[in-house]
Amino acid sequence: SYELTQTPSVSVSPGQTATITCSGDRLGTKYASWYLQRPGQSPVLVIYEDTRRPSGIPERFSGSNSGNTASLTIRGAQAMDEGDYYCQAWDSKTYEVFGGGTKLTVL
Amino acid sequence: EVQLVESGGGLIQPGGSLRLSCVASGFGFSNYAMSWVRQVQGKGLEWVSSIRVGGGFRYYAESLRGRFTISRDNSKNTLYLQMNDLRADDTAIYYCARDLLDAYGDYVGSPHWGQGTLVTVS
Repeated sequence: SYELTQTPSVSVSPGQTATITCSGDRLGTKYASWYLQRPGQSPVLVIYEDTRRPSGIPERFSGSNSGNTASLTIRGAQAMDEGDYYCQAWDSKTYEVFGGGTKLTVL
Repeated sequence: EVQLVESGGGLIQPGGSLRLSCVASGFGFSNYAMSWVRQVQGKGLEWVSSIRVGGGFRYYAESLRGRFTISRDNSKNTLYLQMNDLRADDTAIYYCARDLLDAYGDYVGSPHWGQGTLVTVS
């Protein structure tokens, strides 16, 4: 089965840049998407097709995907960006796969 | 405004069955692929199942295949998840989501989610 691996936690100071990574075998050959889940809320899609932002997602969110690693970058992190971030990819055999999640702390 | 409202969760004994529903509004339900995703409290997201537009293509997480069945009634704008032989480790919040596919019909993300319905197997 296909697996995605994320670092469990990342901390960033307000206004600084946070990078969250997601690794998987040949992940760069698949489309990666990213979700933010704040406590007690449903997930929100912040990046899809590696680099695209849904309407309403701030420009400070950006994504990349190459080789075995996809990355989510948050420039000028704000307190409202805190939460759990999940990467996701679609694989032809295991279909939709989520990473284990990364808890982002802004302090 | 896109809205997805799940229902049907509750307390069920091991071995029992439940059918979850997700009523969609604010968009052409019949034109979109849909998914179910679950989350054990305090844990990560786990994809459960997806169904394409016409209902002919259905996908399941390998560990759930055979016990769970996804379906849709486009005339009622409703997505379903029939869950049989429920186990304690099926206890989770179940979310329905509207899927986004690329030009080739491959999944690229889920921009809309419901608020979830809690299933407790005990």
